[in-house]
Amino acid sequence: GQQVKQSSPSLTVQEGGILILNCDYENDMFDYFAWYKKYPDNSPTLLISVRSNVDKREDGRFTVFLNKSGKHFSLHITASQPEDTAVYLCAARGTGSKLSFGKGAKLTVSP
Amino acid sequence: EAAVTQSPRNKVAVTGGKVTLSCNQTNNHNNMYWYRQDTGHGLRLIHYSYGAGSTEKGDIPDGYKASRPSQENFSLILELATPSQTSVYFCASGARQGATGQLYFGEGSKLTVL
Repeated sequence: GQQVKQSSPSLTVQEGGILILNCDYENDMFDYFAWYKKYPDNSPTLLISVRSNVDKREDGRFTVFLNKSGKHFSLHITASQPEDTAVYLCAARGTGSKLSFGKGAKLTVSP
Repeated sequence: EAAVTQSPRNKVAVTGGKVTLSCNQTNNHNNMYWYRQDTGHGLRLIHYSYGAGSTEKGDIPDGYKASRPSQENFSLILELATPSQTSVYFCASGARQGATGQLYFGEGSKLTVL
């Protein structure tokens, strides 16, 4: 089964708004959590990541929160912009360097 | 300059035919990965490798083989292609675990099996 479960496959937010994307995981051994961004017909690129010894990391408008006891991590995007329109994939890494991805969430930022 | 390159970028194959997707990386990374992307499934790991000569099964290895002849090259082989293997395939490279977990992806290879 899928080890990384991503809810809300499709979301729309108005420009300037705040958005939260969520991801749940099953494996206690995951030690690294990431969010990738993907434009249509392009390859995924890393947006932001956090290791398991940290519960929050901020990079400009993007913040990742990690809740290890709840096996949950989230991506917060503030001041949404049209160029944020993309598919966002959560990912987590366990032993053996395997990076497992969620199913992705399609975000649309409307003007 | 692209550090992970895939070939071919587009491929049409017939059912039962053999398909080889190739990947080359200039990042000097130990780890390489093959994923497929399908609507509603995100990215699913097929095979991965820790270095030259090593291949490991991912989450969906059935119907696929992999080969890592060198640090730079990692191939995905479909011995008997089926229509269910129609997909977009992404290769990625990454540093050894313990370092940054970031993966660097190639441009993708679109495979259609008729």
